[in-house]
Amino acid sequence: KQEVTQIPAALSVPEGENLVLNCSFTDSAIYNLQWFRQDPGKGLTSLLLIQSSQREQTSGRLNASLDKSSGRSTLYIAASQPGDSATYLCAVSGGYQKVTFGIGTKLQVIP
Amino acid sequence: EAQVTQNPRYLITVTGKKLTVTCSQNMNHEYMSWYRQDPGLGLRQIYYSMNVEVTDKGDVPEGYKVSRKEKRNFPLILESPSPNQTSLYFCASSLSGRSTEAFFGQGTRLTVV
Repeated sequence: KQEVTQIPAALSVPEGENLVLNCSFTDSAIYNLQWFRQDPGKGLTSLLLIQSSQREQTSGRLNASLDKSSGRSTLYIAASQPGDSATYLCAVSGGYQKVTFGIGTKLQVIP
Repeated sequence: EAQVTQNPRYLITVTGKKLTVTCSQNMNHEYMSWYRQDPGLGLRQIYYSMNVEVTDKGDVPEGYKVSRKEKRNFPLILESPSPNQTSLYFCASSLSGRSTEAFFGQGTRLTVV
């Protein structure tokens, strides 16, 4: 059974810092890995999708990498802003197209 | 506007009273799924559907039913709700389950008393 772990569970940084969120998964037989953002009381917003054949994806200040063989992904956020404060979730799509989520990293960016 | 719509957004019900949470998407997506989100446990997949008439169990299917008679709709049915089904529920859709971005509804907060 696929298990997804996200470290750290919570992170507080001053505005302007670059930061890295980590995601690891136990079964490397995945189709893709997706990073989401969730604001309190809201649904999930997709940030980046990495196919199993890709190594990284970039969107603006966000960069996500994937090392399928080691079961790891990182989300890099450059020049963090208070508006980046949210919970960040990673999810992997694997066998039989099942999706498994991590519990998330709660990020607070302090002005 | 491309979206996934869930209804209702909030629901309080009593144990044993059958209920249905509706989910509809307007993006012609093949893949749809339901999740529940609980503190400390994250999002867990309840059921998913790869296309019309094809559904399969996720990690926590007990106590839930789904049906996919049309591509755009994927209702979640609780035949006899119990308090342990109190949770935040999300519906999601994507073009396929293998390679495309997932879109989520706004969530349904269900309380079973």
